[in-house]
Amino acid sequence: SQTIHQWPATLVQPVGSPLSLECTVEGTSNPNLYWYRQAAGRGLQLLFYSVGIGQISSEVPQNLSASRPQDRQFILSSKKLLLSDSGFYLCAWSRAGASSGHGYTFGSGTRLTVV
Amino acid sequence: KNEVEQSPQNLTAQEGEFITINCSYSVGISALHWLQQHPGGGIVSLFMLSSGKKKHGRLIATINIQEKHSSLHITASHPRDSAVYICAVSWNNNDMRFGAGTRLTVKP
Repeated sequence: SQTIHQWPATLVQPVGSPLSLECTVEGTSNPNLYWYRQAAGRGLQLLFYSVGIGQISSEVPQNLSASRPQDRQFILSSKKLLLSDSGFYLCAWSRAGASSGHGYTFGSGTRLTVV
Repeated sequence: KNEVEQSPQNLTAQEGEFITINCSYSVGISALHWLQQHPGGGIVSLFMLSSGKKKHGRLIATINIQEKHSSLHITASHPRDSAVYICAVSWNNNDMRFGAGTRLTVKP
């Protein structure tokens, strides 16, 4: 069966410090991978998605970047965190191909607080 | 304007009540998703549907493509159903838009 792992679960970082959140998927090959952010009191927002190794698409210009060094690994990074980067970050995966027949599976999320 | 509108934003019910959460969207979609987010933040996918109706236990999801509207129903609600329910729509495999969520509290 397919599983998705995301860590850490919570993180408190000072302004200006770097960030690295990791997400890995097991039990499937060539998944589409996504990073979402949920800011306090707001809905989920797509940040990045990837359809393959080294292929990253950014939806929203921001202080963050993403990388996919391996097929089932997706990393969200920042060189210098801002206060506005605080929020709940979710990784998700879906099967490649037409979306109508496939669902999304979400990781357990990382609650980031920038202080 | 959000492409996905949910109502109500907050809902409080007594245990056993029948609950309906509504979702409307503005353009044609490939699929609509109902998600459940518990207080810890973890999200579980409840349903994905592109037409008709799906049922899982006490949960029922319906969608009317012509009216661009979906409903999530919970029968015989229970306090453990308390969570935020999120409607999301997808157009292709790389884009998904979310509603703001409905916070449901079921009191014993």
